[in-house]
Amino acid sequence: DAGVIQSPRHEVTEMGQEVTLRCKPISGHDYLFWYRQTMMRGLELLIYFNNNVPIDDSGMPEDRFSAKMPNASFSTLKIQPSEPRDSAVYFCASSPSLGTGVSFGSGTQLSVL
Amino acid sequence: DAKTTQPTSMDCAEGRAANLPCNHSTISGNEYVYWYRQIHSQGPQYIIHGLKNNETNEMASLIITEDRKSSTLILPHATLRDTAVYYCIVRVGDQNFVFGPGTRLSVLP
Repeated sequence: DAGVIQSPRHEVTEMGQEVTLRCKPISGHDYLFWYRQTMMRGLELLIYFNNNVPIDDSGMPEDRFSAKMPNASFSTLKIQPSEPRDSAVYFCASSPSLGTGVSFGSGTQLSVL
Repeated sequence: DAKTTQPTSMDCAEGRAANLPCNHSTISGNEYVYWYRQIHSQGPQYIIHGLKNNETNEMASLIITEDRKSSTLILPHATLRDTAVYYCIVRVGDQNFVFGPGTRLSVLP
């Protein structure tokens, strides 16, 4: 089991550019989560999917953020246009169900200049 | 989710037991207690969870008081690699994980 795989590991971009973060959940996990972590706000849940369907996106900060899960093995988090305040570590996580522990990926360190 | 209260930071000597407390005085009967940790530059890692009874696995032990208003995570023989931020979370099965600031544990040589 390779765990949750995220790419890229690091992303540096300029303000106004589009950023796409990618995630491959653990095979067989029906739930996928996107979190954001900053020093000021800690770990925040942005959105989660169940069986590829978005269930709760109330944590998505604004319309510049969008997430998709076209199939059970792939999800993207897109920021367009990016802003310096979007700089953070973005984690993807998955779990077999909501009643079990969640496995996290290694995160994507995003820096928007 | 019930709110949890944890100390901001703790130190522990290498090889000694690390006892990390968590208060969750408003926990409801169907809420589980979960512990995660986050080592620097890595994603959070699941450690253990429980409802009423004490639990033990290869990583740690979880002691939950009889009234369930507090719990303690025990790392029996802390190593330098256990230096991390430890999160105590209470939730029911259909809720998401809400991470607080956690306890920063420093294991000292």
